[in-house]
Order: sequence, then C-alpha cells, then structure tokens
Amino acid sequence: DGGITQSPKYLFRKEGQNVTLSCEQNLNHDAMYWYRQDPGQGLRLIYYSQIVNDFQKGDIAEGYSVSREKKESFPLTVTSAQKNPTAFYLCASSTARGASGTEAFFGQGTRLTVV
Amino acid sequence: AQSVTQPDIHITVSEGASLELRCNYSYGATPYLFWYVQSPGQGLQLLLKYFSGDTLVQGIKGFEAEFKRSQSSFNLRKPSVHWSDAAEYFCAVVHTGGFKTIFGAGTRLFVKA
Repeated sequence: DGGITQSPKYLFRKEGQNVTLSCEQNLNHDAMYWYRQDPGQGLRLIYYSQIVNDFQKGDIAEGYSVSREKKESFPLTVTSAQKNPTAFYLCASSTARGASGTEAFFGQGTRLTVV
Repeated sequence: AQSVTQPDIHITVSEGASLELRCNYSYGATPYLFWYVQSPGQGLQLLLKYFSGDTLVQGIKGFEAEFKRSQSSFNLRKPSVHWSDAAEYFCAVVHTGGFKTIFGAGTRLFVKA
C-alpha cells in the first residue's frame, strides 16, 4: 500500500539531546513537508523540500534541521536549540506541480515529549 | 501574503443536526482549496478539494463544500452529523502554479447525543 510512514509514534527526549524523527513515503512524490502541531495553533510549517538535495525553511525552522538525500525520505532532527520541542509532528508529501496532485498526504504523526 | 481563516475555534452540534464550518482565504487569484479532517492523535485525511468548475464539490463521509468567489469562502457542510464526525477540521489552500499547502487554524467539532 502506498503511503507515508512516520516513526516512532511516541518519542521522549531529555533536555539537551538531539532526536531524529523518521518520515518515509512510497508515493513517488517530489515534495515533502514537516509540520508542528500545538493545541489551538493549527499546523505550522517547519521545513519543506521540493526535490532531492534541496529544502527550504518554513515559518518555524529555528531549532530544527532536515536532510533530503533520497526522494523517499525526509528526516527531521529536533536539536537542543529548540527550546520548546514538546509537540505533535506531522510529515506530509505531495506532487510538486499540477492541479491534480497538490493535495497533501499525511503520516500518522510522532508525539515528542521532553522529559 | 496568503492566509486561511477559520473563524470558529470549536463548534458543538447535536447528532442528526446539520453542520457548516466556515473558511475564508486571502489570495489574489482563486487557489486550490481543500478540507482535511483529523481524529485525535492521527494524521490528516483529505475530505474534498476544489480546483475549478462546479463550485459545489462532494467529498467523502457525506461532506460537501461550496466555493464562493465573491466572498472568498469555501465552507464545509454536512446535512446530518454523526457522532463519528467529532474531530478537528482544517481548511487549506495551495496557490495556483504552486505546491505548498497553507492551513487554517482548524475548527474542533463536538457532537452531542
């Protein structure tokens, strides 16, 4: 089945640690995205990538980093510089062009908690 | 800058009653328009989308939405709500020729028996 897989579903981080959230898609989509979701704030865009080896900062990129070495994968690292990382993180993908493909497909999310 | 406004943070309706969730967008041209639904702790699922043509679009789970250019609105409707419809609903836009999705803040729907 085609789709987006995020892992792990739950993640706990100690203060000062970096953690990496995995996102893999087998939809052959060019574009991939990371969103952060906090209660009452909707989805805020962290980073997005339109093609392999290229990515752009979204609205709240500080304290996060990404890589896009393969079309299928777009991992997100939450660094120690992110002061308030506890949130629900959603990965999505879409085709990069064309009316028929602009809808976003989402993974099931990773809930990150700082302990 | 493009923006999406969902003026209702939460709405409560009785089971069997009709539902309308509001969405307004700010953009120079007609963008591509979407409604997504999110159950607690889950990702988002596409309910319906509008690209062009008929301004009334049908989606999954009995939902429909109407695009009104004059009001820059894309309101979501359902004639009879079921308890399983309780979730958070997001309106979203993609500008024509682009690919990046911009989401509204969401409306949480509560359904009472």
